[in-house]
Amino acid sequence: GAVVSQHPSWVICKSGTSVKIECRSLDFQATTMFWYRQFPKQSLMLMATSNEGSKATYEQGVEKDKFLINHASLTLSTLTVTSAHPEDSSFYICSASWDRAYNEQFFGPGTRLTVL
Amino acid sequence: RKEVEQDPGPFNVPEGATVAFNCTYSNSASQSFFWYRQDCRKEPKLLMSVYSSGNEDGRFTAQLNRASQYISLLIRDSKLSDSATYLCVVRANKFYFGSGTKLNVKP
Repeated sequence: GAVVSQHPSWVICKSGTSVKIECRSLDFQATTMFWYRQFPKQSLMLMATSNEGSKATYEQGVEKDKFLINHASLTLSTLTVTSAHPEDSSFYICSASWDRAYNEQFFGPGTRLTVL
Repeated sequence: RKEVEQDPGPFNVPEGATVAFNCTYSNSASQSFFWYRQDCRKEPKLLMSVYSSGNEDGRFTAQLNRASQYISLLIRDSKLSDSATYLCVVRANKFYFGSGTKLNVKP
């Protein structure tokens, strides 16, 4: 149980385009989903926390107009990187938790974004 | 100061060895503690939660020391398949990740 999927697993795009990444909890209802970014040889950095049906809470330094997060249902959250640039190239990972105390979180397999 | 600090390693050990990692955290109000394992270019996977009384799962033992604000992970009888990066994760008001400790188990 507790499976989280992400789609796509990798994407290459041109600078200036927008990319949407989907995160789904397959066998549980995720009241909370998290979006992380990880650069090579660095730790995961939390970008934002989203609760179903409400606006995402962004971490300091993360542009909410650039990284649009939608958590419209208990099983789906999306992250859209708008007007992507090469410096946005990274490994984006979502995780999901089934309770608002989020004592555990389960990670998706990640999406590797390369912006040319 | 980082919320969670780990020795990045790498720890290079032979098969069968016992290896221990420590992790320190800065927020005394932290409530939950975890060890995750991350393989290269993969997502983190939960290895074990860490409880106040300490807990063991097979070859893995986790300890929490609230007074000194550190948690530890002990791996006994290391296997080649244990080679990975081990992430210390602490939850206070949100989750904080350490940068990971890399373990290489050699034949």
